[in-house]
Amino acid sequence: AQSVTQLGSHVSVSEGALVLLRCNYSSSVPPYLFWYVQYPNQGLQLLLKYTTGATLVKGINGFEAEFKKSETSFHLTKPSAHMSDAAEYFCAVSDWDSNYQLIWGAGTKLIIKP
Amino acid sequence: DVKVTQSSRYLVKRTGEKVFLECVQDMDHENMFWYRQDPGLGLRLIYFSYDVKMKEKGDIPEGYSVSREKKERFSLILESASTNQTSMYLCASRSGRAYEQYFGPGTRLTVT
Repeated sequence: AQSVTQLGSHVSVSEGALVLLRCNYSSSVPPYLFWYVQYPNQGLQLLLKYTTGATLVKGINGFEAEFKKSETSFHLTKPSAHMSDAAEYFCAVSDWDSNYQLIWGAGTKLIIKP
Repeated sequence: DVKVTQSSRYLVKRTGEKVFLECVQDMDHENMFWYRQDPGLGLRLIYFSYDVKMKEKGDIPEGYSVSREKKERFSLILESASTNQTSMYLCASRSGRAYEQYFGPGTRLTVT
């Protein structure tokens, strides 16, 4: 069965530093890949998605992610962290094996140090 | 923009009460979902619906039921609330032609 692993339940970076949140999946075929963000006491908001085409995907708020098939990864990055980026980030995967339901990672809480 | 609304942001109920959580989407989406979110456990799918009057069990359906009488509305029902159903409940919808889901703001339910 499909699974999604997010490395690190908490990641702490300084304001202005690079943000890197890791996501690996287990699918043997190229899946559809998503990153969502959740601010405190709110629902989830779609940050970006990969379905087909260019493997480097740009999303909202300056985030981007790169699909690397050989590494079964879809890591999320942002060149310079801002205090407003403090939130929880979820990686999700969808493919035929999951009947195109979303399989979720456990989430990574991003902490921004001033 | 897709808009998914949930009937309450915060709800406090007593053990044994029947609880209704309602979700409405305005984008004519075919698919709708109910999740619960607990610290350290991520999102877990309770039920989903592919179309009106259709429902499918997710990963944790025990203690819950759902109703979808109209395309835009998907209700989650706790027949007899228990303290272990204290959680954040998230509703989502999805077009039948896409893969991403759109979420409501969530309902934080406390059962005492």
